[in-house]
Amino acid sequence: DQQVKQNSPSLSVQEGRISILNCDYTNSMFDYFLWYKKYPAEGPTFLISISSIKDKNEDGRFTVFLNKSAKHLSLHIVPSQPGDSAVYFCAASWEGGADGLTFGKGTHLIIQP
Amino acid sequence: DTGVSQDPRHKITKRGQNVTFRCDPISEHNRLYWYRQTLGQGPEFLTYFQNEAQLEKSRLLSDRFSAERPKGSFSTLEIQRTEQGDSAMYLCASSLRASGRAEQFFGPGTRLTVL
Repeated sequence: DQQVKQNSPSLSVQEGRISILNCDYTNSMFDYFLWYKKYPAEGPTFLISISSIKDKNEDGRFTVFLNKSAKHLSLHIVPSQPGDSAVYFCAASWEGGADGLTFGKGTHLIIQP
Repeated sequence: DTGVSQDPRHKITKRGQNVTFRCDPISEHNRLYWYRQTLGQGPEFLTYFQNEAQLEKSRLLSDRFSAERPKGSFSTLEIQRTEQGDSAMYLCASSLRASGRAEQFFGPGTRLTVL
């Protein structure tokens, strides 16, 4: 049973536009969420995180929104740049649970020139 | 480079052989994690250490897998009697857990192919 779901395997966005990546979770115990970016042949790179006490966190071009009632979070990238082309993973954890992260399957973002 | 390093980057082995991977975390990080990633999936948690103590093991970690972190520095992950289903990318991550939450920093991974 997948507790973190990224239902879009791929997403294509034009350079300069907004990229919106979505993530849903089923475990209501999750209270900390992270986004990672992964290039081929490299490990995941941390992008941004959000605690369940917040509904928005912003860092430069990256903003994460959390809707706890819907068990949904999204990552917005504005403006999208060619270097943003990568696989993006949503991950979650909860205080008192195993300290390991639970990841979604990832969304392959392709930025078109 | 002061990031997480893993060795080797690639390993090809025959079924039934034993393999060992090494992870060197970021030096001041007290927590170290092992994950496994197969094609089309996100990383799956295997186990983690706080300093030298192994605090949690996933049910994915069968008896053929063992991990150590002597002296709370580098860690090794050994797989005994490898099977074709063990073919995957093995990722190591580290974090500094002082208070609250801390993001995990990943190494480049070791890609294991079992023939």
